[in-house]
Order: sequence, then structure tokens, then C-alpha cells
Amino acid sequence: SQQGEEDPQALSIQEGENATMNCSYKTSINNLQWYRQNSGRGLVHLILIRSNEREKHSGRLRVTLDTSKKSSSLLITASRAADTASYFCATDADSWGKLQFGAGTQVVVTP
Amino acid sequence: NAGVMQNPRHLVRRRGQEARLRCSPMKGHSHVYWYRQLPEEGLKFMVYLQKENIIDESGMPKERFSAEFPKEGPSILRIQQVVRGDSAAYFCASSETVLDNYGYTFGSGTRLTVV
Repeated sequence: SQQGEEDPQALSIQEGENATMNCSYKTSINNLQWYRQNSGRGLVHLILIRSNEREKHSGRLRVTLDTSKKSSSLLITASRAADTASYFCATDADSWGKLQFGAGTQVVVTP
Repeated sequence: NAGVMQNPRHLVRRRGQEARLRCSPMKGHSHVYWYRQLPEEGLKFMVYLQKENIIDESGMPKERFSAEFPKEGPSILRIQQVVRGDSAAYFCASSETVLDNYGYTFGSGTRLTVV
């Protein structure tokens, strides 16, 4: 089974609204990363949060990490149509940084 | 900096043929990672290489798949005698050091279709 699992599988919102997606994982981690993938394209690294951090911001992105619950959330504020993409969480639990990805959350932002 | 370059972008092979996927890491990056993405799924780790060495190949199928990262030139993922189940997007990522705390840089991927 996958280390990271995102919830919900799909999310449809209107421009200007906030989008929140969650990621749960099973084992202890070094860090947790969020990536975005536009349809048919590669992955773009968004943000990395270390296991000793609880919250991190980058522009309109806010990531939280709760290691006691083995969960993370990604919040996109004031969403735009250009935020339409799939969002993946990936956990780094190995000694060298092997990433384990969840199945992703598909976000559709309508104008 | 051209980023991680993968080619070809799209590759169509008949069952039984060989597929060769190339990945040129970012300048200065000596660590390369290959991941596979099946439709509607997340990425699955395949292999981690450092120049001329395979560090971790725990995600590679035992047969037909091989990878190399020679001293000169790109990293190559080779799939022999392809089958329909090999159809997927194959992504390469690179990093300057192991445990890069700034995330990995991924290429745009090679989409393999086996007909």
C-alpha cells in the first residue's frame, strides 16, 4: 500500500475560494513534500516540510504537518484557474531520500 | 540551466521491442532517480543511481528492466521486450546531493505506449 494517501481524490472549486487537501502516511518520515502536476506534464516541487516543523508558507500555499497523527494538509488560498492540476504528497522516509507518492488530489478551479 | 531533460517525450513501441529512455540531469547534479506513473496513479520509485553506480534498485522489476548512469552522457532506462503493462509515464529526477532538502527537480517525462 502507498505511504502517502491524499484526500479528497478530486476537488472542484471556483476562483477565489480556498482549496484544502490532506495527506496521511504510515511510517516515520524525514520530511514531507508537495508537488503539482499539470495534465500531461512533469512534477513541480511546491514545498518541503521537515519532520520537526509544524507549518510552512510559500506564497499562497500553506502546509501543516502533524507527526502525531501522521498527516499533512496543503491549503491553497485565493485559488486561480491556473491552479488546476493534480497535487501529490510524497514522504521521504528512507536513509537516502527515496520518495513515496500518494495517488494525488485532482483540483479543478473554474473561473 | 536547462533543468532535467528527458527524451523522447513520447515513445511508441510494439510488443516485444526495446524501449530506451534518456535522462540528462541538471548541471552539477550527480544523483538520478527514475519513477514510473501509471494512469491515474502517483509515482512509484524504480531506481536511484549515482555516476556509474546503482545505489537502490528496489523498485525495478527483476526482469527486462535495467538502468545505467555512465561517467559521460545521460542516464538510460532500458526496457527489453516491452509488454502492454509497461505503458506508463516515466519520470527522471535529479539532485545535487542525497537527502536534498529542497526537493527534487523532475523532468517532463517520457510517455511510453506499447501497442
